[in-house]
Amino acid sequence: EDQVTQSPEALRLQEGESSSLNCSYTVSGLRGLFWYRQDPGKGPEFLFTLYSAGEEKEKERLKATLTKKESFLHITAPKPEDSATYLCAVQPYSGAGSYQLTFGKGTKLSVIP
Amino acid sequence: EAGVAQSPRYKIIEKRQSVAFWCNPISGHATLYWYQQILGQGPKLLIQFQNNGVVDDSQLPKDRFSAERLKGVDSTLKIQPAKLEDSAVYLCASSLAGTQYFGPGTRLTVL
Repeated sequence: EDQVTQSPEALRLQEGESSSLNCSYTVSGLRGLFWYRQDPGKGPEFLFTLYSAGEEKEKERLKATLTKKESFLHITAPKPEDSATYLCAVQPYSGAGSYQLTFGKGTKLSVIP
Repeated sequence: EAGVAQSPRYKIIEKRQSVAFWCNPISGHATLYWYQQILGQGPKLLIQFQNNGVVDDSQLPKDRFSAERLKGVDSTLKIQPAKLEDSAVYLCASSLAGTQYFGPGTRLTVL
C-alpha cells in the first residue's frame, strides 16, 4: 500500500526565515511525486511534479527536490502570502490507466510578518 | 482558460437525506476524479473516469455513493443516504495527462 508522511504537521516562520518541509513516501513504483498548495476554503493548487531521484524544480521562493525515499520543499525568504497548507502526493505506476494520487496530511505553514 | 467548476459550494443536510454534487472539468480534459477530503486530512480518491467510463472506483462506498459522467464531460456524485461521517469537502479534479487540476470543492455538513 502506498504511503505518504509529511512533517512537520505545522510550521511557524518569521518573514524571511528559510526552512524546509519533508515528504517521506513508500510506493511500489513511482510515476511522479506532486506538490500542491491549499488555501483555506479552496481546492489544491498544483505547484510541481518530480519524476526521478535527483530532480529539482523551482518556482519563485519554492524549490522542490526528490530522492528515492523522500522529497523536500524548500522555502527561501518566505512572505506572509506563502502561508497555506502544502500537500505532497505520489502517483504510482499502475495498469488500466489509473492515475490515482495518494496524499499526505499536509504541512500547515504560517509566515508571520 | 477556465478551471474546474463545482456546485454547490456548501451544503447542509440531515443524516439519511440524499445529496448531489456537480462538476464541470477543464475543457478537453478526458480524465475526471472525485476526492473526499476530511478536515485535517489529505484528499482521498473516490472514483476516476476516463471519458465516460470508470477506471478506478475501488475506494467508493458503493452502498451509498454513486457517480456518473454522461457524455464524457460533466459529472455528478451522489450520496444516498448520508451519514454523519460523510461530512467533508468533496473535490473534483481533471487532467489531460498525469497532472490533476482541482476545483474549489463542495463542503458538506451532515447533521
